[in-house]
Amino acid sequence: DIVMTQSPFHLPVTPGEPASISCRSTQSLLHRNGYNYLDWYLQRPGQSPQLVIYLGSNRASGVPDRFSGSGSGTDFTLKISRVEAEDVGVYYCKQAFESPWTFGQGTKVEIK
Amino acid sequence: EVQLVESGGALVQPGESLRLSCAASGFTFSIYWMAWVRQAPGKGLEWVATIKPDGTEEYYLGSVRGRVSISRDNVKTSLYLQLNSLRAEDTARYYCVRVAHEWVLDNWGQGTLVAVSS
Repeated sequence: DIVMTQSPFHLPVTPGEPASISCRSTQSLLHRNGYNYLDWYLQRPGQSPQLVIYLGSNRASGVPDRFSGSGSGTDFTLKISRVEAEDVGVYYCKQAFESPWTFGQGTKVEIK
Repeated sequence: EVQLVESGGALVQPGESLRLSCAASGFTFSIYWMAWVRQAPGKGLEWVATIKPDGTEEYYLGSVRGRVSISRDNVKTSLYLQLNSLRAEDTARYYCVRVAHEWVLDNWGQGTLVAVSS
């Protein structure tokens, strides 16, 4: 199985400041079709997960443009250009390059 | 608006069975792959199973294969998860999830809680 490793585990952030989360996979998620099968999800406190970024760098519908995803192969990054209070929660990366789909352990983003 | 409403979660004893349901609305259910993802209390997300739009292909997490069965009824626009021989480690909130293009999990239900304890 592909193992997904996120860092940091916990990320205290100051509103208005940038934030960055790393996700690494044990094998490349770049398919020969050019897609990186890596998504990012946010689970706000007490809520279900929601899609933030798909296929490495595409913002989901309704996601503010302060969110961006980058990376290819085995190394990926989720960036928030200016953190807002509503961005708190746990962020998960997920690979769908091969079954079983696997998630990172999560990064908890909190306001300082 | 896409809606996924799970039901059927309960407190059960080890070895018992349970059938989870997910009522889907707001989209053409019959053309989408669907999945179940679970989350143990205080833990991360774990994919459990996926089913093809016409129900002819199913994929499972290794640790549940043989005990779990995913199915769907496209007429009733419903997704199901049959859980057999339940174990304590199956305790989790189970989410019904719509699978979009390239295996993106684009819509999630609110989840239903399964607790396995003697």
